[in-house]
Amino acid sequence: AQRVTQPEKLLSVFKGAPVELKCNYSYSGSPELFWYVQYSRQRLQLLLRHISRESIKGFTADLNKGETSFHLKKPFAQEEDSAMYYCAISNTGNQFYFGTGTSLTVIP
Amino acid sequence: DTGVSQDPRHKITKRGQNVTFRCDPISEHNRLYWYRQTLGQGPEFLTYFQNEAQLEKSRLLSDRFSAERPKGSFSTLEIQRTEQGDSAMYLCASSLNAAVGEKLFFGSGTQLSVL
Repeated sequence: AQRVTQPEKLLSVFKGAPVELKCNYSYSGSPELFWYVQYSRQRLQLLLRHISRESIKGFTADLNKGETSFHLKKPFAQEEDSAMYYCAISNTGNQFYFGTGTSLTVIP
Repeated sequence: DTGVSQDPRHKITKRGQNVTFRCDPISEHNRLYWYRQTLGQGPEFLTYFQNEAQLEKSRLLSDRFSAERPKGSFSTLEIQRTEQGDSAMYLCASSLNAAVGEKLFFGSGTQLSVL
């Protein structure tokens, strides 16, 4: 069965500090991995996806197949990064499964 | 706004009543998804469509839930005989096609409260 685990419900860091949001997954095949973000009073939107190997707003995520992880990282957190972050996987049929989310607060 | 739109934004109903939500995806998008989200949880998959065909329903979805996408454009989600446990945010999302890695575009959701 597909499962996405985000162990931290809440995460607080100071502005300028590094931030890492953890995501582990279980899936029998080769899923695609995503991070979605929801800023206050906005709709859920894509932050980045593994297939694009992209860096968005300074965030990167590396897929570690051995550890089945897709942690989201940013070297220097900004106040505008405060949001709810969801890790997600999709299977070959493009069905998506989301984690329970991590609420990130960046303290000024 | 040419994004995914959902109507209504909020719905309050009494237990036992039927409710229907509407989702209008981005016009050229073939895939349409319904999710449910409760407090402290991530979006939970309910069902999805490829054009007008409903390809999969979650096993968690009871028979009281039904979704349609009759012309491959807008979709409706109906809940019959609502229960208090149905209270949640119902999210609709669409994607251009079924390619692997295709991104989802979400609507703002319909917040359902069952009294």
